[in-house]
Amino acid sequence: KQEVTQIPAALSVPEGENLVLNCSFTDSAIYNLQWFRQDPGKGLTSLLLIQSSQREQTSGRLNASLDKSSGRSTLYIAASQPGDSATYLCAAMDSSYKLIFGSGTRLLVRP
Amino acid sequence: AAGVIQSPRHLIKEKRETATLKCYPIPRHDTVYWYQQGPGQDPQFLISFYEKMQSDKGSIPDRFSAQQFSDYHSELNMSSLELGDSALYFCASSFSGTLNTGELFFGEGSRLTVL
Repeated sequence: KQEVTQIPAALSVPEGENLVLNCSFTDSAIYNLQWFRQDPGKGLTSLLLIQSSQREQTSGRLNASLDKSSGRSTLYIAASQPGDSATYLCAAMDSSYKLIFGSGTRLLVRP
Repeated sequence: AAGVIQSPRHLIKEKRETATLKCYPIPRHDTVYWYQQGPGQDPQFLISFYEKMQSDKGSIPDRFSAQQFSDYHSELNMSSLELGDSALYFCASSFSGTLNTGELFFGEGSRLTVL
């Protein structure tokens, strides 16, 4: 059974810092890995999707990497801004196209 | 661009009542997924449908049922509601065709509060 873990559970950084959020999964037989952002009480906003055959994806200040062999993905946020404050969820898609979510990292970027 | 539409956005029910949530997928998307996110929890997969047939089932209580209709919209029916059913219910849709990337597009969610 696929299990997804995210470290750290919470992170507080000053504005402008570069930061890395970590995600690990137990079953490397994934279809893809997706990173989402969730603001309090709100829906899920898709940030990046990495196919199982890819190593990384980039969108603006965000870069996500995937290492299937070690069961890890990282989300790199460059030059963090207060507007980046949210919960970041990673989710691994299994072969039946079901997403298994991690518990998220709550990020606070202090002005 | 059209997104996944969920209704109602907010719903308040009493214990033992029944609730129905609706999901309208992105046009041309043929697969619908339902997820439940309890307070402070990560989203948990409930059930999915492909071409109006149930394709996968997760941790969905027997009190819940769902279906996908001919226009691809889906409804999640919840009966004998319990306090623990209070959660944010997400619907997501995807396209299973040759350009399928596996990307799921999520709606804004329906917040159910059971009193």
